[in-house]
Amino acid sequence: GDSVTQMEGPVTLSEEAFLTINCTYTATGYPSLFWYVQYPGEGLQLLLKATKADDKGSNKGFEATYRKETTSFHLEKGSVQVSDSAVYFCALSDQGNNDMRFGAGTRLTVKP
Amino acid sequence: SQTIHQWPATLVQPVGSPLSLECTVEGTSNPNLYWYRQAAGRGLQLLFYSIGIGQISSEVPQNLSASRPQDRQFILSSKKLLLSDSGFYLCAWEPQGIMNTEAFFGQGTRLTVV
Repeated sequence: GDSVTQMEGPVTLSEEAFLTINCTYTATGYPSLFWYVQYPGEGLQLLLKATKADDKGSNKGFEATYRKETTSFHLEKGSVQVSDSAVYFCALSDQGNNDMRFGAGTRLTVKP
Repeated sequence: SQTIHQWPATLVQPVGSPLSLECTVEGTSNPNLYWYRQAAGRGLQLLFYSIGIGQISSEVPQNLSASRPQDRQFILSSKKLLLSDSGFYLCAWEPQGIMNTEAFFGQGTRLTVV
């Protein structure tokens, strides 16, 4: 079945450091790919998404490119801030399955 | 606009007691509905999903059940809670029949079974 494998955390960075969180997926169809962010004590909210190969999703300085050849959707940000501290989830949605699959989540802590 | 409400926000229940968590969606009709659990230090586990009233699919065998008595209402229940039921429970919805759309999450319920 469909699945998402996400880089394990926790990840601790200094402010203004470069961030990469790796995500790879397995899917039988042509899924859409997502990154969600969860701030402490809250539900998940969509950070960015890409719906087809080579699409780049971007939001709040974060980017991820849908790479079908490597089945990856790595999250990047050039300069992280303390306010980016959160748990990040990679996810896929395959329209034929009526469910959304999530990675295990990566906790990011950014120190001033 | 669409909104999702989930309550209660926190809950402390003794082992063996019943559970009922409620989730409602406003501003849309016939959504796909989901219950996820996030155990401490772990990722999201899909518990149940529903594509319509009375239609529930369960992902894993467990001590919990779900019901969808109305189109925009999704309830997570247990007759007797276990310690291992502790966790953060998230309800989510997505539009049905629309390609490439994301899911929208409630604020979550933190359940502690003591």
